[in-house]
This record gives sequence, C-alpha cells and structure tokens, in this order.
Amino acid sequence: SQQGEEDPQALSIQEGENATMNCSYKTSINNLQWYRQNSGRGLVHLILIRSNEREKHSGRLRVTLDTSKKSSSLLITASRAADTASYFCATDDNDYKLSFGAGTTVTVRA
Amino acid sequence: EPEVTQTPSHQVTQMGQEVILRCVPISNHLYFYWYRQILGQKVEFLVSFYNNEISEKSEIFDDQFSVERPDGSNFTLKIRSTKLEDSAMYFCASSLSGRTGELFFGEGSRLTVL
Repeated sequence: SQQGEEDPQALSIQEGENATMNCSYKTSINNLQWYRQNSGRGLVHLILIRSNEREKHSGRLRVTLDTSKKSSSLLITASRAADTASYFCATDDNDYKLSFGAGTTVTVRA
Repeated sequence: EPEVTQTPSHQVTQMGQEVILRCVPISNHLYFYWYRQILGQKVEFLVSFYNNEISEKSEIFDDQFSVERPDGSNFTLKIRSTKLEDSAMYFCASSLSGRTGELFFGEGSRLTVL
C-alpha cells in the first residue's frame, strides 16, 4: 500500500507559532496532497504538489516534497485557533485511489 | 460553491440489517469514491467508481458492500448485512480528474450498528 504516514501524531502550539508536520510514503507518486479535517466534518483539500515540484505555497501554507526521501512536510505559519484540526497527507496509488495517512492532530492554544 | 452532499447524516441500525448511504457528487465530476473513518482512526479507502463501474476497491470492500450510480446523479453505498465493526463515518468524495486533482468530500454519514 502507498499510504502516507504523518509525524507527529499530535501537536500543540501557541497561537502565532508555526506548525510543521511530516509525511512519509513508500513508493513513487505522481502527486501528493494535503487535507484538513475539522472534528466530525469532511476532509477539505489544502494543496497539491506534483512529483516534479519541490515546494509550493498557498497563503500561510508551505509544502515541500523530497521524492528522493519519499517525504513531504506541511508548514502552517502564524497559526490561529481556527487551524485546530487534523491534517492528512494523501498519495495517489493509481488513477483511481488516493490513500490517506493516519493524520496529525494540531491544537492551537489561544 | 458546488458541494458533495450526503444523507443521512446519522443512521442507527441493528446488526444484520441492510443500510444504504446516499451521496450526490458534484455534477460535472467523473470519479466517485467512498471512504470510511472509524472514530479517531485513519481515513480508509473503500472503493472508487469511474465510467459506471468499480475501478478500484480495497480488501475492506467485500461482498457485503456494493455501490451504484442509479440515475446519473446519486451515488450509493449499500451494506447488505451490517456488522458491529461497520460502525464508522462514511465519506463520499468526487473528483473531476482522478489522481491529478483534488477530491471534494461530503460531510459524512455516521453509521452506528447496535
């Protein structure tokens, strides 16, 4: 299975601090995506990075991809209480399957 | 903004009963998915559906499960004879372009099997 695995499992930070989480995966990919899930809600797409890209930005989000190490990181800068959620990386096994990791639960303290 | 809608939001059923979970994907999307998430655990792939047939399924998606797109708008997941371990949140998702694009998720249907 291609599933990504996030690290750490949980993260607690103060509002205004940065949050960094990592994802490792097993085999080659075309794309890697990050999603957010607020408690009890559906997943929301944050950002997609292609295998030939090394870094991508979207607002306060920065994603890196290192295909040689089969890893990606998601950085949330200047965190807010509203960033409290679980964050998942997802890798494409094939055209028809996106596999999710176990997620990192981020708590932003006011 | 277009969204994926799922019904019911919560269903309680007795073990052994049949359950149908319904989804209306985004109208111009071509790829459809069901995922499940047992409370506090990872989001697990169940099945994907493209061009009116199953394109990929996981080992979880055994003979008790089936999917259908009966009328070109709804996308249903049927569990024929529910087990206690089927209790989970079931998410429907749709995508315009498969692996190259983002998945749009519904808010989920919580299934509780007693």
